Amino acid sequence: EAEVAQSPRYKITEKSQAVAFWCDPISGHATLYWYRQILGQGPELLVQFQDESVVDDSQLPKDRFSAERLKGVDSTLKIQPAELGDSAMYLCASSYRTGLYEQYFGPGTRLTVT
Amino acid sequence: TQLLEQSPQFLSIQEGENLTVYCNSSSVFSSLQWYRQEPGEGPVLLVTVVTGGEVKKLKRLTFQFGDARKDSSLHITAAQPGDTGLYLCAGETGSNYKLTFGKGTLLTVNP
Repeated sequence: EAEVAQSPRYKITEKSQAVAFWCDPISGHATLYWYRQILGQGPELLVQFQDESVVDDSQLPKDRFSAERLKGVDSTLKIQPAELGDSAMYLCASSYRTGLYEQYFGPGTRLTVT
Repeated sequence: TQLLEQSPQFLSIQEGENLTVYCNSSSVFSSLQWYRQEPGEGPVLLVTVVTGGEVKKLKRLTFQFGDARKDSSLHITAAQPGDTGLYLCAGETGSNYKLTFGKGTLLTVNP
């Protein structure tokens, strides 16, 4: 069964350092999402791509976060510089298209900023 | 900002008991989804409800969407230890079908 792949699964970094996460969606899925889930909270959408275009990044802290999906397939989320408050689970999800299609989530990257 | 309030936040029960968790909002959603998330994993979709008043059953799980499409409930009959996990509701709105998640209900079913 096809799955969303994410790496790394765990990342520990010091504050002010740069960190990057990678996501490979299910093949053929045009829509890709990055979510942040703080412990004890539900996921919060950071950015949504339709193919290579950003359709929603209203909750992305653009002073330190960036996301790209250059060829409309895999995607990278970067934080520079990392802050203590960025410690969270970063989840990637994909769906066939934007619409009432199921979102399939990856296992996430657990980030700890020290 | 659209908020989804889930209750209770934590629930610990014995195997075989029944339970209901709730998801409430002051906003109207086009659809509402329920997910289950296990530790260290991403959420997995359980069901999507679209029509006000809709009831869907998935084995021992019963999902209901409120008539006004602002609230939903999840009822589990004869809970089993395998039901343990974080249950999240998510409301969908807008032309981009954006999902807004609640904080979740952490369910523990003890053998």
